[in-house]
Amino acid sequence: DTGVSQDPRHKITKRGQNVTFRCDPISEHNRLYWYRQTLGQGPEFLTYFQNEAQLEKSRLLSDRFSAERPKGSFSTLEIQRTEQGDSAMYLCASTRRDTEAFFGQGTRLTVV
Amino acid sequence: GQNIDQPTEMTATEGAIVQINCTYQTSGFNGLFWYQQHAGEAPTFLSYNVLDGLEEKGRFSSFLSRSKGYSYLLLKELQMKDSASYLCASVGAAGNKLTFGGGTRVLVKP
Repeated sequence: DTGVSQDPRHKITKRGQNVTFRCDPISEHNRLYWYRQTLGQGPEFLTYFQNEAQLEKSRLLSDRFSAERPKGSFSTLEIQRTEQGDSAMYLCASTRRDTEAFFGQGTRLTVV
Repeated sequence: GQNIDQPTEMTATEGAIVQINCTYQTSGFNGLFWYQQHAGEAPTFLSYNVLDGLEEKGRFSSFLSRSKGYSYLLLKELQMKDSASYLCASVGAAGNKLTFGGGTRVLVKP
């Protein structure tokens, strides 16, 4: 257990539905990251927060994706109108500045 | 942007040594991480290099050459539990995010 919690661990949804994932970082970490990982690939960066500010979003992140970190603590990642191509593992990580990132166990999304 | 290359797969025998190479091309560079990831689990931190040279930590060592854009992870005295994917990741100049390679899947055989 790295101290980063993600919920749910697994989510199966029908195409077109909206889904929301939650990440609770290590409490003293001010940076929070979302990554997406498909089978046999490395994690792909989606977005990152420093405290409550979203400082960078990947071009991979379409308009259907939105992330928030309203009080600089937990974060949510929402995917609207899910597509089969969204099926992946969604990983959250947190860090203090210039230290290693700690990853949560991930949320595995399956869109059917 | 950042581009990171590492081999897709390597096989080695229990008790042997394996070296996983990683080359990177970045517009800015602030360090190189190695992570281990077992199937279905989260990546876990192994090592961090920001200066040239070798960092040794038990059976695992990591090397960095900034001038060559090159790193390697050395796994010694391989054990069956070392079968996993090993991810190389660079940190940009702003120190803001990790960019990962595709990972190297290491299979340890008896």
